[in-house]
Amino acid sequence: DGGITQSPKYLFRKEGQNVTLSCEQNLNHDAMYWYRQDPGQGLRLIYYSQIVNDFQKGDIAEGYSVSREKKESFPLTVTSAQKNPTAFYLCASSIYPLMGEMYNEQFFGPGTRLTVL
Amino acid sequence: AQSVTQLGSHVSVSEGALVLLRCNYSSSVPPYLFWYVQYPNQGLQLLLKYTTGATLVKGINGFEAEFKKSETSFHLTKPSAHMSDAAEYFCAGGKGGGADGLTFGKGTHLIIQP
Repeated sequence: DGGITQSPKYLFRKEGQNVTLSCEQNLNHDAMYWYRQDPGQGLRLIYYSQIVNDFQKGDIAEGYSVSREKKESFPLTVTSAQKNPTAFYLCASSIYPLMGEMYNEQFFGPGTRLTVL
Repeated sequence: AQSVTQLGSHVSVSEGALVLLRCNYSSSVPPYLFWYVQYPNQGLQLLLKYTTGATLVKGINGFEAEFKKSETSFHLTKPSAHMSDAAEYFCAGGKGGGADGLTFGKGTHLIIQP
């Protein structure tokens, strides 16, 4: 079955540590995204990538880093510079819009819940 | 600024009653709008989307939404609520061109009373 997998489902981190969240998709989608979800805040865009070896900052990129070495993978690193990293992290992907279109829907993974101890 | 606003962080309806979840978007948001549903500790699932064309959009699970440009609204409705509809609902709009990501509302928690 095609879809998006995120691992781990739960992650605990000590203050000062970097951690990497995995996101893999087998949908052959070009674009991938990372969102952060906090209670009552909706989803906020951290980083996105429209093509391999290229990515752009979203609205809240500070304290995070990403890479896009393969089309199917878009890992997110939460660095020690992120002051409040406890949150639910969602990865998504979409096909690149065809000519004449602007958007296609994004497909979401099951999420990773990160807790800083 | 681009924004999507959902009115009401919590909405409670009785089973069998009409469900109405409100969403307004700023005029700077491109008219590409989506409703997603999220069950506890899960990812988001697309309910429906508006891109161009018909203003009344039908989605999964009996939900539909009407795009009203004059009111900059995209409210979600369902004629008869079911207990399984209890979840968090998010309205989202395109941020810009291409595949730039979505702007999400803060979500509405739908509670179904038996």
